[in-house]
Amino acid sequence: GESVGLHLPTLSVQEGDNSIINCAYSNSASDYFIWYKQESGKGPQFIIDIRSNMDKRQGQRVTVLLNKTVKHLSLQIAATQPGDSAVYFCAVKNTGNQFYFGTGTSLTVIP
Amino acid sequence: GAGVSQSPSNKVTEKGKDVELRCDPISGHTALYWYRQSLGQGLEFLIYFQGNSAPDKSGLPSDRFSAERTGGSVSTLTIQRTQQEDSAVYLCASSLWRDTDTQYFGPGTRLTVL
Repeated sequence: GESVGLHLPTLSVQEGDNSIINCAYSNSASDYFIWYKQESGKGPQFIIDIRSNMDKRQGQRVTVLLNKTVKHLSLQIAATQPGDSAVYFCAVKNTGNQFYFGTGTSLTVIP
Repeated sequence: GAGVSQSPSNKVTEKGKDVELRCDPISGHTALYWYRQSLGQGLEFLIYFQGNSAPDKSGLPSDRFSAERTGGSVSTLTIQRTQQEDSAVYLCASSLWRDTDTQYFGPGTRLTVL
C-alpha cells in the first residue's frame, strides 16, 4: 500500500513571497507524483507532475522537487499571489497503479 | 472542450434512502475514477473503470456502494440505504489512460445524509 501525508495542514504567506508545501510518502516503489490545487467548492485541478526518474520539474511559477532517498515531495510556488489561496495536495502512484492522496495543506495568501 | 461534469452538485437525503450520482467524463477518455472526499481527509479511491475491462472495485467501502459505466462514457455511482457516515463530496475524474495521463476532476457532488 501507500501512506501519504503532508507536513503542515495550514500555511500562511505574504503576497509576493515564495511558498513551499511538503508531502511525504511511504512506498519506495512509487513512480509517479502529482500536485493538485483545490479551491473551495471545486474539484482538484492538476498543477504539475513528476516521475521517479526525475528529481526536479518546473512549470509556470511552480517547481516540484522529488527526493526519493527520504521519500519526500515538495511544491514551490514563486511570488505567491492571492489567487493561489487554496488547498494543495499531492497524489502518489505506486506500481499497483492506484493513486494515494494526501490530506492537503490549506494555503492562505495575505495581501 | 468541456471538462468532467457531475450531477447533482448537491444532494440531501434521509438516512436509509438510495441515491444516484452521475459523472460525464471528458469525451474520448477511457479511464474513469470515483473518489470520496470527507472533511479533513484525503481523497479515498472508490472504483475505477478502464475501457471495457472489468472495473477495479477494491475501494468500495461496503456492498451498499456500486457503480456502472454505460457505453464506456457516463458513469453512475449508487449508494443504497444511505448512512450518515456516507456524507462527503464524491468526485469523479477521467483520464486518457490509467497510469500515464493526468486525471481531470469534476466539481464533485456534495452528499448530505440526515
